Amino acid sequence: KQEVTQIPAALSVPEGENLVLNCSFTDSAIYNLQWFRQDPGKGLTSLLLIQSSQREQTSGRLNASLDKSSGRSTLYIAASQPGDSATYLCACLTQGGSEKLVFGKGTKLTVNP
Amino acid sequence: DTGVSQNPRHKITKRGQNVTFRCDPISEHNRLYWYRQTLGQGPEFLTYFQNEAQLEKSRLLSDRFSAERPKGSFSTLEIQRTEQGDSAMYLCASSKQTVNEQFFGPGTRLTVL
Repeated sequence: KQEVTQIPAALSVPEGENLVLNCSFTDSAIYNLQWFRQDPGKGLTSLLLIQSSQREQTSGRLNASLDKSSGRSTLYIAASQPGDSATYLCACLTQGGSEKLVFGKGTKLTVNP
Repeated sequence: DTGVSQNPRHKITKRGQNVTFRCDPISEHNRLYWYRQTLGQGPEFLTYFQNEAQLEKSRLLSDRFSAERPKGSFSTLEIQRTEQGDSAMYLCASSKQTVNEQFFGPGTRLTVL
């Protein structure tokens, strides 16, 4: 059974800082991994999708890496801004016939001006 | 370009009442998913459709829950005889079969009094 863990649960940084969010998963047989952003009381916004054959994906100030063998992914945010404050969730789509995403509990990021 | 839409956005009901939520996926997406999210947790998978066929259901989907996707377009999720434990955010997502990137709607927040 796939389990996804995100550490830390909460992170507070000053504006302008580069930061890394961590995601680990127990079953390395994944199809892909997605990173999402969720603002309070809102739905999820897809940020990056990494296929199992890929090592990283980049979008603007965001860079996500994937190391299947170690069961880890990181989301790197460069030059953080107050508008980046949100909860960041990672989710895995695991091989074996199920189409469900398995989510971590998220990291709540606060970027202070 | 319209994303996934969900209605209503908020629903307050009394225990024992039935409620129904609607999800309209992105038009060219043939897969549709329902998830449930409680405070401080990541979303948990409920069920998934490919076109009009319901292909996967979670054990979380008790017999009080039913989902349909007539004609493979919009989907409804009905909860009968609601309980306080049903209070949560219900999220809908859709994807193309060929690219398993799931896009989420804004969610329906259910409060059972």
